[in-house]
Amino acid sequence: ELKVEQNPLFLSMQEGKNYTIYCNYSTTSDRLYWYRQDPGKSLESLFVLLSNGAVKQEGRLMASLDTKARLSTLHITAAVHDLSATYFCAALAGKSTFGDGTTLTVKP
Amino acid sequence: DTEVTQTPKHLVMGMTNKKSLKCEQHMGHRAMYWYKQKAKKPPELMFVYSYEKLSINESVPSRFSPECPNSSLLNLHLHALQPEDSALYLCASSQEIWGAVGDTQYFGPGTRLTVL
Repeated sequence: ELKVEQNPLFLSMQEGKNYTIYCNYSTTSDRLYWYRQDPGKSLESLFVLLSNGAVKQEGRLMASLDTKARLSTLHITAAVHDLSATYFCAALAGKSTFGDGTTLTVKP
Repeated sequence: DTEVTQTPKHLVMGMTNKKSLKCEQHMGHRAMYWYKQKAKKPPELMFVYSYEKLSINESVPSRFSPECPNSSLLNLHLHALQPEDSALYLCASSQEIWGAVGDTQYFGPGTRLTVL
C-alpha cells in the first residue's frame, strides 16, 4: 500500500526566507502532484511531476522529483505572506494518495 | 472557461433524506473525480470517471452513488447518510485521467455537507 509522508507538518517562516517541504512516498509511483489549499477553500493544483529529475517552477515555488529516492520537494524562495496556506503532495500508484499536508505560515 | 462548478455550496440533511450533489465543467475534460475531505485532514479519493465510465471506486459505501450522465456533468447521489459523512465534498476534472498528458486537475469550490 502506497504511503505518503510530508514534513514538516507545520512551518512558520519569516518573509524573505527560503525553505523546503519534503514529500516521501513508499512505493514506485507514476507521478507526483502538489496542491495548495487556503483555509476553508477548495484545492488548487500547483504542479504535476511526471518523471525522474522533473523540475517545475511557478513564481516563488519550485517542485522537483527524484523517483530513485522516492522524494519530491517543494522549495519556497523569498517567502511572502500570500504563500501562507496548506500544501499537499500526492503520489499516484493506480490511484492518488495524499500526504497529511504542510501548513505554512509566513510572518512579516 | 477554466471553471468547475458545484451545487449546492452547503447542504444540511437528515439521515433519512435523499439528496444529490452536482458538478459541472465545460473544458472538454474527460476525467472527473469526487473527493471527500474532513476537517484538518487530506482529501480522500472516492470515485473517478474517465470517458463517462466509472474507472475507480475506492470501496465507498453504497449510500454514496455516483453518476456521470454526460462528459460535462458528474452527480453524487446521497441516501441514508451517517453523521460521520459530514465533510467537504470536492469535485475535480482533468483533460485525461490523472493528468496523463501532464495536465493538472481543476477543482470546484466544494459542497459542505452536514448530516444531522
